[in-house]
Amino acid sequence: DGGITQSPKYLFRKEGQNVTLSCEQNLNHDAMYWYRQDPGQGLRLIYYSQIVNDFQKGDIAEGYSVSREKKESFPLTVTSAQKNPTAFYLCASSMGAGNYGYTFGSGTRLTVV
Amino acid sequence: KNQVEQSPQSLIILEGKNCTLQCNYTVSPFSNLRWYKQDTGRGPVSLTIMTFSENTKSNGRYTATLDADTKQSSLHITASQLSDSASYICVVSAKSGSSNTGKLIFGQGTTLQVKP
Repeated sequence: DGGITQSPKYLFRKEGQNVTLSCEQNLNHDAMYWYRQDPGQGLRLIYYSQIVNDFQKGDIAEGYSVSREKKESFPLTVTSAQKNPTAFYLCASSMGAGNYGYTFGSGTRLTVV
Repeated sequence: KNQVEQSPQSLIILEGKNCTLQCNYTVSPFSNLRWYKQDTGRGPVSLTIMTFSENTKSNGRYTATLDADTKQSSLHITASQLSDSASYICVVSAKSGSSNTGKLIFGQGTTLQVKP
């Protein structure tokens, strides 16, 4: 079945550590996105990529980095520069422009310990 | 400023009852409006998507309405079930100039709890 897979489901980070969240899709979607979800707030866009080897900052990109070396993969690194990383992170993908077929992964919950 | 506001913030109803969730938006230029259901600890799942010309769309017991003039949408849930307990998110897509890639603006969600 086609879908979008995020791993791990739960992740714990120590202070000063970088961690990488995985996002893989087999939907043949061109565009991929990373969102952050905090309680009582709407999803906020971190980074997005419309094609391989290209990505753009979203509304809250500071302290995060991404890469898009393959169409299927869009990993997100939460760096030590992100001062409040505890949140639920969602990856999504869509068919090209226009956000058709917008599909979300099941999320990764990151906690700082 | 593009915004999506949902009400109520939370809602508790008894199993079998109907309920209506509201969404007001100030997104312009408007492309489409979507309703998602998000179970706790899971990713959102699409319920409906409506364009400017559509004013109602159903998906089983879920019926969404759109009034593009007043920039309001509602999601009506009929004969609620315990499995309807979730967060419901209204999302509006804005047309984005020459890039043609619409930005999604998310509401903060309405948390629905269905009790037996």
